[in-house]
Amino acid sequence: DAKTTQPPSMDCAEGRAANLPCNHSTISGNEYVYWYRQIHSQGPQYIIHGLKNNETNEMASLIITEDRKSSTLILPHATLRDTAVYYCIVRVMRAAGNKLTFGGGTRVLVKP
Amino acid sequence: NAGVTQTPKFQVLKTGQSMTLQCAQDMNHEYMSWYRQDPGMGLRLIHYSVGAGITDQGEVPNGYNVSRSTTEDFPLRLLSAAPSQTSVYFCASSRAGQTTDTQYFGPGTRLTVL
Repeated sequence: DAKTTQPPSMDCAEGRAANLPCNHSTISGNEYVYWYRQIHSQGPQYIIHGLKNNETNEMASLIITEDRKSSTLILPHATLRDTAVYYCIVRVMRAAGNKLTFGGGTRVLVKP
Repeated sequence: NAGVTQTPKFQVLKTGQSMTLQCAQDMNHEYMSWYRQDPGMGLRLIHYSVGAGITDQGEVPNGYNVSRSTTEDFPLRLLSAAPSQTSVYFCASSRAGQTTDTQYFGPGTRLTVL
C-alpha cells in the first residue's frame, strides 16, 4: 500500500469548512484513497473513498488532484462532534480481507 | 442490527494469564479483522479472516490466536498475556465482493496487563 503523509494536527472553527490534506505521491494506478475518522475512544468510522474523480456524500467531500499525488478531505460545516483523528489510507480496493493500514492521522480540534 | 459488538469492554490481566476477546457481527459480513491500538498510535492489524474456517496473519500476530468457526463470530485469544499487549483492541467486519469495501468497527476492548 502507498504511504501517506498528513499533518499531525489542525484546528478548525465551528461552522467553517475543514480542509484536511493528504499526500500520497507513490500511489499506484489501482489504489484508492480512503478516509476514516476516530472519535475519542471509539472505533474508526468510514467517511468516504475515491479513485480519481471528486466524491461527495452526506459526511464530506473528497478532492483528488489530477496527478493523484495528493487529496483533500473537506468537512463543509464542521461541528464540535467532528473533533476526531482523521486517517487517510491508500490501498487497492478489496485487498485480501479488506485490510486497512493506519498511519498517524491528523488530529482535528473543532473550536466553538 | 447491532452491528459489530465486542466483549468485554474492559479487562485487567496478570502476566501469563490467558483470555479470549469476543467479537460478533450480525451483518452477515464475510470479512472480519482484529486490530490493536497503542496510546497515541494508529491501528495495527493482528489477524483477519475472509470467511468461516479461513484466517490469516496481519502485521502483529505474535502472542495471539484466532479461529472462525461461524460467519458471525471471530474471537481473539491471548495465550499468555504480557505487559506489551496492553492496548485497545478493535474488531471490524466488512462485506466481500462489493463495489465498496467499507469496514465497520466495534467499540473496542481496553486491556491492561499487569
